[in-house]
Amino acid sequence: EVQLVESGGGLVQPGASLTLSCAASGFSLNVYWMYWFRHAPGKGLLWVARLSPDGNNKLYADSVKGRFTISKDNARSTLYLQMDSLRADDTAVYYCARFTDGRFGYWGQGSLVTVSS
Amino acid sequence: DIVMTQSPDSLAVSLGERATINCKSSQSVLSSSNSKNYLTWYQKKPGQSPKLLIYWASTRESGVPDRFSGSGSGTEFTLTISSLQAEDVAVYFCQQYYSPPYTFGQGTKLEIK
Repeated sequence: EVQLVESGGGLVQPGASLTLSCAASGFSLNVYWMYWFRHAPGKGLLWVARLSPDGNNKLYADSVKGRFTISKDNARSTLYLQMDSLRADDTAVYYCARFTDGRFGYWGQGSLVTVSS
Repeated sequence: DIVMTQSPDSLAVSLGERATINCKSSQSVLSSSNSKNYLTWYQKKPGQSPKLLIYWASTRESGVPDRFSGSGSGTEFTLTISSLQAEDVAVYFCQQYYSPPYTFGQGTKLEIK
């Protein structure tokens, strides 16, 4: 069974760093494109970053470019999102998702990141 | 960036009645190479992750009740719930995955009348 489980969220001050993890089970990360999305309170969904199966192709939304880094550890079956220089408008529930056959069919349960002083 | 615009922002429908949600993209999401529309519909309930309903604009995800259907092509799309059930109360989002950034509509809140 495919499962994605995020962890690492929490309350941090503006300017701080935080790393989210997404533990994958039931499949191999080196086969699928993986994505991070976020949903801010009272706002719409936003794509954040994507990572190719070989780990060499990374793409970011303009709002996080230069501050966030997507990566993975295939051996640990874990996807990461390192978030630096966090701002209040980064406050959101962050989701990892797997893309295959034309759809984002599997999503994690989400990890809440709150940026506040 | 491709801008996705949903209408209406909110909708109240009686149980058993039809609900229709529209989604327009600022440019076509139809691929000329495979004739597929890169358009997805999700259902989002509070505290839950988005649930995939429809992909390729009209392909129902496995396990999704057949009262949910998607239609449209190019820049105009529709999600239809043929007979509204109580468990369908949620916010519905469309998303294009034709080109990055992979943008979403603002959401349509569906309630029971």
